[in-house]
Amino acid sequence: GQNIDQPTEMTATEGAIVQINCTYQTSGFNGLFWYQQHAGEAPTFLSYNVLDGLEEKGRFSSFLSRSKGYSYLLLKELQMKDSASYLCAVRDNTGFQKLVFGTGTRLLVSP
Amino acid sequence: GAVVSQHPSRVICKSGTSVKIECRSLDFQATTMFWYRQFPKQSLMLMATSNEGSKATYEQGVEKDKFLINHASLTLSTLTVTSAHPEDSSFYICSARKSRSPGETEAFFGQGTRLTVV
Repeated sequence: GQNIDQPTEMTATEGAIVQINCTYQTSGFNGLFWYQQHAGEAPTFLSYNVLDGLEEKGRFSSFLSRSKGYSYLLLKELQMKDSASYLCAVRDNTGFQKLVFGTGTRLLVSP
Repeated sequence: GAVVSQHPSRVICKSGTSVKIECRSLDFQATTMFWYRQFPKQSLMLMATSNEGSKATYEQGVEKDKFLINHASLTLSTLTVTSAHPEDSSFYICSARKSRSPGETEAFFGQGTRLTVV
């Protein structure tokens, strides 16, 4: 089965740094994705990790530890527009390569 | 880039009627497409995997006779919500993969369809 957990909500201040955690227990693993989703819109791709370690892309970084079933998304220099839901998703290693999403974290950035 | 177009973006239908949602990959061929449902303030729930030329694979708890999926070509998958009820009101999103290659990273998402059943 699949179990992917994230904190439900987080708040942070403009200009600050926030870390959103994701823990997973899945029957198969072939990569972990982070997506951003604004209300009423489709998710947009942020990052992808398949090997342990940190992937940095501008203000966003994502970390993966496969042995611990753990990932985090780090957002630096927060901006008001970063207020959104952040979704962690695990891709399985079956023929379909399904993407299964976590519970999602709603981030509110305040002035 | 890779573009996935989903239509319609919004639809309101009467209870008991059927609604068809289309998902098209515009500039690539997609052997596999995925259909998700999202309720307010919740995450995406995978409903089914759509495979070109074969029957869809449904997730546990999803009624295959209610949510009909057809993947007739490499660029088009359709989801038909049959005999819709108000509890089917939700945001439905499709995504498409270019190939089954493990090296391919992203799944590309459509814009989503907001279904309201009255």
